[in-house]
Amino acid sequence: AQRVTQPEKLLSVFKGAPVELKCNYSYSGSPELFWYVQYSRQRLQLLLRHISRESIKGFTADLNKGETSFHLKKPFAQEEDSAMYYCALMSSGTYKYIFGTGTRLKVLA
Amino acid sequence: KAGVTQTPRYLIKTRGQQVTLSCSPISGHRSVSWYQQTPGQGLQFLFEYFSETQRNKGNFPGRFSGRQFSNSRSEMNVSTLELGDSALYLCASSQGGSNQPQHFGDGTRLSIL
Repeated sequence: AQRVTQPEKLLSVFKGAPVELKCNYSYSGSPELFWYVQYSRQRLQLLLRHISRESIKGFTADLNKGETSFHLKKPFAQEEDSAMYYCALMSSGTYKYIFGTGTRLKVLA
Repeated sequence: KAGVTQTPRYLIKTRGQQVTLSCSPISGHRSVSWYQQTPGQGLQFLFEYFSETQRNKGNFPGRFSGRQFSNSRSEMNVSTLELGDSALYLCASSQGGSNQPQHFGDGTRLSIL
């Protein structure tokens, strides 16, 4: 079964500390993976997608097919990074999205 | 471009009633997906429509239904409402192909009394 797992409901880090939000997936084909973010009082929005291999707001995510992971990382957390983060998998061929349950990141001053 | 628009923003209903939620996608987007968001379950996929056809369906009972019109606008209907249907219902649109990100609306907050 296709599944996206985000093991941490809440992650608290201090400003300037590195951040890693974990995402593991279960999918038999070639996954299309995304990270979405929801800041307080804002819409859920795309942060980055694995195919773009880009860094957005200092965040990067590398697809590790061996470990079936797509962890989100940032070397130095900022207070404005505090938000809810969702990892999502798109099933190629069916175009169906599957979201993880989300991780709330709190960056402490 | 205008973003995804969902109406109404808030709804209060009682058990047994039915409700219709509306979603207007970004211009040019042919795919519309619906999600139920609750604190405990996160985003649960309801269904997706592409060019007026239901292309994907989640694991929700038949009380949850939807449709898409020729202008890509979509509606979601929930019949015989239950207390457990209280949630934020999100609509997202995309171009509908591979690696296409979804663009979300603000959602409709449905409360069942």
